[in-house]
Amino acid sequence: QVQLVQSESELKKPGASVKVSCRASGYTFTNYAINWVRQAPGRGLEYLGWINTDTRNPTYAQGFTGRFVFSLDTSVRTAYLQISSLEAEDTAVYYCARGDYGTSGKYFFDFWGQGTLVTVSS
Amino acid sequence: DIVLTQSPATLSLSPGERATLSCRASQSVSRSLAWYQQKPGLAPRLLIYDASNRATGIPARFSGSGSGRDFTLTISSLEPEDYAVYYCQQRSTWPLTFGGGTKMEIK
Repeated sequence: QVQLVQSESELKKPGASVKVSCRASGYTFTNYAINWVRQAPGRGLEYLGWINTDTRNPTYAQGFTGRFVFSLDTSVRTAYLQISSLEAEDTAVYYCARGDYGTSGKYFFDFWGQGTLVTVSS
Repeated sequence: DIVLTQSPATLSLSPGERATLSCRASQSVSRSLAWYQQKPGLAPRLLIYDASNRATGIPARFSGSGSGRDFTLTISSLEPEDYAVYYCQQRSTWPLTFGGGTKMEIK
């Protein structure tokens, strides 16, 4: 069965960096995009962007360029989200989600990771 | 960016009642709209895609309708496990966007 398993929660100080992992199983990893979505405490869902798991090309939504980096290690079927220069406003649960099909960048999300809570606090 | 406005923000209904949730887009998204259910502490789950198609394993009491700018998620008879937050999401135009959510609570 399809599964996306994310890394454990992180507590970081402002200005630090964090790297969240998302390990896929149960399907051909390079056939489906990985998307990233975050949810601040008590808030709604916010889309960060996606990475083409075949070409490794990342695409970032506005507001998530520069400090946010999507990457892959296809040998271990894992996608990564790295956030640098962390701010308190980055405190959120970060989800990876599989794009349902294609490489257009226009997806519904058919499978989700369990989420990784990143807390930024001094 | 396309803005999705969900209403009502909170819906209070009793088990067995019919629930109707609305999602309105700031411009036409054709039928490129999905609905998700999220329970506390869990990731969202895809319920409906392309406005009216149930995702795998989703019970028949969930149905979606609409096109263009106005969409509806209907739960025909609420079960105890249906109390959750529901989000709509469009994929017509990048960036992909979500609505603000409707919280379904027990009356």
